[in-house]
Amino acid sequence: ETGVTQTPRHLVMGMTNKKSLKCEQHLGHNAMYWYKQSAKKPLELMFVYNFKEQTENNSVPSRFSPECPNSSHLFLHLHTLQPEDSALYLCASSLHGPGRNEQFFGPGTRLTVL
Amino acid sequence: EDKVVQSPLSLVVHEGDTVTLNCSYEVTNFRSLLWYKQEKKAPTFLFMLTSSGIEKKSGRLSSILDKKELSSILNITATQTGDSAIYLCAVEADSNYQLIWGAGTKLIIKP
Repeated sequence: ETGVTQTPRHLVMGMTNKKSLKCEQHLGHNAMYWYKQSAKKPLELMFVYNFKEQTENNSVPSRFSPECPNSSHLFLHLHTLQPEDSALYLCASSLHGPGRNEQFFGPGTRLTVL
Repeated sequence: EDKVVQSPLSLVVHEGDTVTLNCSYEVTNFRSLLWYKQEKKAPTFLFMLTSSGIEKKSGRLSSILDKKELSSILNITATQTGDSAIYLCAVEADSNYQLIWGAGTKLIIKP
């Protein structure tokens, strides 16, 4: 257990569905991240929140919508996804500062878009 | 553009062998290099390296950074089947403290 939990662990959805991924960290960290991991590709950073403020949005399509109500919780709202969005979605958290950027990961949500 | 390249992409060895995984990087204002192990889902942290030439060790795993060569190696001695995993390398640059990730090395240890 890394102190970062994600739900659901698996999700199958149609292209017209709306669903949300949830992440919670119990480590007292300031920063939270959403990553997309596709087979044989580097982890793709999607969003970064630091002290609840979004600091990065790496050209992610608007069908992915993040929400960070507080430093411990992070959501990823999904709407009208495409089959190529099928991947493992990982949440991570860190203390976010010089020399303190060891990130702790949740177990991920395996998303399949039909 | 900042990038991190890992090699080999995959490796199959027998139990008891020693393996060396490579990570090279091109980033502006390097701050640190991190190694992670990913078995099933969540990557788990192994090492953070900031200084050149200082080996970090944890059991059978060790890693060292060479800032002159812009690279790092991860060594695993006396490999066991439980070492089978994807090993990820990431580099932190000064600009925004985010990590730039390599594609990983998939290591398979055969009994």
